[in-house]
Amino acid sequence: DADVTQTPRNRITKTGKRIMLECSQTKGHDRMYWYRQDPGLGLRLIYYSFDVKDINKGEISDGYSVSRQAQAKFSLSLESAIPNQTALYFCATSTPGLPLGEQFFGPGTRLTVL
Amino acid sequence: GNSVTQMEGPVTLSEEAFLTINCTYTATGYPSLFWYVQYPGEGLQLLLKATKADDKGSNKGFEATYRKETTSFHLEKGSVQVSDSAVYFCALSDPNRDDKIIFGKGTRLHILP
Repeated sequence: DADVTQTPRNRITKTGKRIMLECSQTKGHDRMYWYRQDPGLGLRLIYYSFDVKDINKGEISDGYSVSRQAQAKFSLSLESAIPNQTALYFCATSTPGLPLGEQFFGPGTRLTVL
Repeated sequence: GNSVTQMEGPVTLSEEAFLTINCTYTATGYPSLFWYVQYPGEGLQLLLKATKADDKGSNKGFEATYRKETTSFHLEKGSVQVSDSAVYFCALSDPNRDDKIIFGKGTRLHILP
């Protein structure tokens, strides 16, 4: 079984709809991250959480919100989706015991906003 | 601020060719450096890492050496295979800023049989 899972894997939605992307992990890691990947832009950090009570904005948090429901679960919400949020979204985890920068990624969610 | 610059792709090579993907960085302090690989339809996975100057990271035949004097971390492989076709990301983390890592834009590699 995969250590970091994301649901759904693919989603098509319409402008203005609320959508939630979910991430679960069985690695026991404290730190969780949400990134988006756009062609030619690499990965950009949306939000990150170092524990259940710690939520931090990344470089592109506008239009997004997150919820850390438990150590193992970290959800990303788009309150009112817009077409330029069409992208590939990745969840990742890490732990203080690893070198900073060593993260474990989920398989991604491909989101299309029409 | 911290940044990573890697060569633009796509890079197309024949099987068994020698591979170099260039990566240079700008950082304050003493960052750790990483190469991640993304195979088609999958998430990123760590390929190799180096945490201090002159360290060489290696895995699956790939190597990269942390060169502080040239602020570089070039990825090399002596003989590529079709299965190496993927997108490769160079990344850095600053131990003085434990909030995030910085990724390059990625280099797509195509290996022809």
